Amino acid sequence: EIVLTQSPDFQSVTPKEKVTITCRASQSIGSSLHWYQQKPDQSPKLLIKYASQSFSGVPSRFSGSGSGTDFTLTINSLEAEDAATYYCHQSSRGFTFGPGTKVDIK
Amino acid sequence: QVQLVQSGAEVKKPGASVKVSCKASGYTFTGYYMHWVRQAPGQGLEWMGWINPNSGGTNYAQKFQGRVTMTRDTSISTAYMELSRLRSDDTAVYYCARVIVPIAAAGSPFDYWGQGTLVTVSS
Repeated sequence: EIVLTQSPDFQSVTPKEKVTITCRASQSIGSSLHWYQQKPDQSPKLLIKYASQSFSGVPSRFSGSGSGTDFTLTINSLEAEDAATYYCHQSSRGFTFGPGTKVDIK
Repeated sequence: QVQLVQSGAEVKKPGASVKVSCKASGYTFTGYYMHWVRQAPGQGLEWMGWINPNSGGTNYAQKFQGRVTMTRDTSISTAYMELSRLRSDDTAVYYCARVIVPIAAAGSPFDYWGQGTLVTVSS
């Protein structure tokens, strides 16, 4: 099974700050890595698909990069509404999710 | 617009079974694989398996093999997930989620999710 690890586990950030979340896969997954945002008591929402493609309707401050085993989600100029937990997800071989990164607003 | 509407919360005793439904609308139900993902309280997301609504073919995570059954009824555009021999650690919110890529591939991200169904297992 492909294991995904994320860092950091938690990040407290002031508005307008830049946020970087990393996701590392236990083996190469090409670009089959996707990012979701989940707010409390809501279903996850797709942000980025295939490592760097923005999903329809997602604000441009969200971007993704990486390939192989190392991936990054960047939130430029964080807004208060971005407080959430962010998960990476691989669909290369089987399906697994990372443990999540909680982003809090200071 | 695409919608996935799940059945309501359930409370079950250990050893029982639960069947959660996911009614799809706004698209061709048989055109997209449907996955099931669960989330224990305060925990992360855990993939359970998928069903091909067109053929009825399934693929389950090894952890749930022998306990989970995914089915569908194409006449009412509804997918089902049944989990048997419930334990207390099966207490979780269960989500259905549609893949973004039409029937050609199971291995794609999930663009639409149901609202979730809380299953509580308690004696």
